[in-house]
Amino acid sequence: AQKITQTQPGMFVQEKEAVTLDCTYDTSDQSYGLFWYKQPSSGEMIFLIYQGSYDEQNATEGRYSLNFQKARKSANLVISASQLGDSAMYFCAMREAPNFGNEKLTFGTGTRLTIIP
Amino acid sequence: GAVVSQHPSWVICKSGTSVKIECRSLDFQATTMFWYRQFPKQSLMLMATSNEGSKATYEQGVEKDKFLINHASLTLSTLTVTSAHPEDSSFYICSAYERTGSSPLHFGNGTRLTVT
Repeated sequence: AQKITQTQPGMFVQEKEAVTLDCTYDTSDQSYGLFWYKQPSSGEMIFLIYQGSYDEQNATEGRYSLNFQKARKSANLVISASQLGDSAMYFCAMREAPNFGNEKLTFGTGTRLTIIP
Repeated sequence: GAVVSQHPSWVICKSGTSVKIECRSLDFQATTMFWYRQFPKQSLMLMATSNEGSKATYEQGVEKDKFLINHASLTLSTLTVTSAHPEDSSFYICSAYERTGSSPLHFGNGTRLTVT
């Protein structure tokens, strides 16, 4: 079974609109972390936002927020007021069973976001 | 913030030759580094976990004799693709944690390998 599922291969959004990128996950661990990364066409992986499984509040970082619904095992990324520079691939990732920083990340298949001027 | 430097950014080599990719943590020590591979329009797949001073841990299906990993110091891990073939052409990207807890995984800029 997929550990991280991103069901939107591609999305087109008008500039300045908000956009939600979906991510669901599967784990039996109680302690885990969820990440979103942005990958522009140049290839680098840019960290956007983190949500811990025990965090009671949804994470926010500037225009990025994470809609964390633990019971549904979903961790959707919300980008407010989208900009042309937001066009990129977006990956959701999960880190299970924290072990002093040595845990690998498992990535979803990604969503290609295109912002339309 | 934490910086992971990867070199080279791109490399073209002939089939049968070996290629070495370096991954350095510039402003922190990394006892563990992760090597991922990404084929065009696909996700990142973990190849191996590199541990300083010990053998790397390879994911299922990854040939350890083909993808040699050496983590000789707390700031340097290398991936050598031995006897490269065209099917090894891919984007290879390394990563490391600056610290534990909620620290994100910091990535290098990746190496695009083309085997002709």
